[in-house]
Amino acid sequence: GENVEQHPSTLSVQEGDSAVIKCTYSDSASNYFPWYKQELGKRPQLIIDIRSNVGEKKDQRIAVTLNKTAKHFSLHITETQPEDSAVYFCAADGGNEKLTFGTGTRLTIIP
Amino acid sequence: KAGVTQTPRYLIKTRGQQVTLSCSPISGHRSVSWYQQTPGQGLQFLFEYFSETQRNKGNFPGRFSGRQFSNSRSEMNVSTLELGDSALYLCASSNQGFGNEKLFFGSGTQLSVL
Repeated sequence: GENVEQHPSTLSVQEGDSAVIKCTYSDSASNYFPWYKQELGKRPQLIIDIRSNVGEKKDQRIAVTLNKTAKHFSLHITETQPEDSAVYFCAADGGNEKLTFGTGTRLTIIP
Repeated sequence: KAGVTQTPRYLIKTRGQQVTLSCSPISGHRSVSWYQQTPGQGLQFLFEYFSETQRNKGNFPGRFSGRQFSNSRSEMNVSTLELGDSALYLCASSNQGFGNEKLFFGSGTQLSVL
């Protein structure tokens, strides 16, 4: 089955700086790579996703890049703000079966 | 549309007891999946139900089971509770339940086993 590794487990950045979270996956059949954000005490919510036919996708301050050859994908947040503080989870679909999630990255934005 | 609803929000049980958690998906969604969330372990997949059938199962012992009703509502049961079962249990619904669909999560049930 699919195995997803996520790094770092914790990340602190100054407000206004950029944050990068990286994930690797094992199943070459994976084609769908979403990112979920979970604020403290709240439910996880999808913030951005990317499919294997695209190398990069942007949505305002958030971008995701995918390297299928190396089997890794990354989340980039620019101009970080206090409301970006949360736990972020990456995931891969293992060939359209079920999502396998990484272990999460706790991002803290320092004012 | 109402979101995914999980009940109860909190549960406290003792070792050896059993517990049942409930999940009502978004109206029209036929897939319900369950995840266990613990610090440092992320979201671990338990199982997924679609049209009352279990379609996928994660690597959890047989003490963890579930079912889905004709109205797509789902229940998860854990028997003979162990201390290590303490966790936040999240359910998520989607339309078809394929891995490339957006998941809509509930707020979770926080289970504490004493």
